[in-house]
Amino acid sequence: AQSVSQHNHHVILSEAASLELGCNYSYGGTVNLFWYVQYPGQHLQLLLKYFSGDPLVKGIKGFEAEFIKSKFSFNLRKPSVQWSDTAEYFCAVNARRDDKIIFGKGTRLHILP
Amino acid sequence: SAVISQKPSRDICQRGTSLTIQCQVDSQVTMMFWYRQQPGQSLTLIATANQGSEATYESGFVIDKFPISRPNLTFSTLTVSNMSPEDSSIYLCSVRQANTGELFFGEGSRLTVL
Repeated sequence: AQSVSQHNHHVILSEAASLELGCNYSYGGTVNLFWYVQYPGQHLQLLLKYFSGDPLVKGIKGFEAEFIKSKFSFNLRKPSVQWSDTAEYFCAVNARRDDKIIFGKGTRLHILP
Repeated sequence: SAVISQKPSRDICQRGTSLTIQCQVDSQVTMMFWYRQQPGQSLTLIATANQGSEATYESGFVIDKFPISRPNLTFSTLTVSNMSPEDSSIYLCSVRQANTGELFFGEGSRLTVL
């Protein structure tokens, strides 16, 4: 069965700092990968996804993620964060032969103004 | 994108009672998923609900505790039975869009068990 690990549980950054959130998955077959964001008091929204093709995917609000197959990783990056990026970020994986999506434990990001 | 409505949005229940959460989608979908998000934690998949067949439960979740109905392609219910304070959580209904694979979520049902 697939699983997802997010290494950073709580990250605090100042505005304009660069961001990288780690995500590793465990599954031997082909996967689809996602990053979701949950802003305070709101429901989950898709930031970006990887299905195939260019391993560097760009999402909304300036976020990007790179799929490194050899490392089973899908880290999320943003060159310069804003206060409005304060939220919880979830990495998720879906085995291609399956329909369910499994989420990591989440990383709570707090941006200092 | 799919629009998902859940009822109730929140409720406070007494220990030992049961509550049924409804999920309505604005389009026909084959699979619906029920997740639980406990306070300060991630989303845990409870079960996958297919129309016309029994729901498939994940490890740690059983039908007697979380019976699910899926009477048609736009509606599903999740019942939390014989509730205890440990069942206090947000319960989320979700669907996957067939062409993009994206998972869409409802606003969730926040359940507090006293």
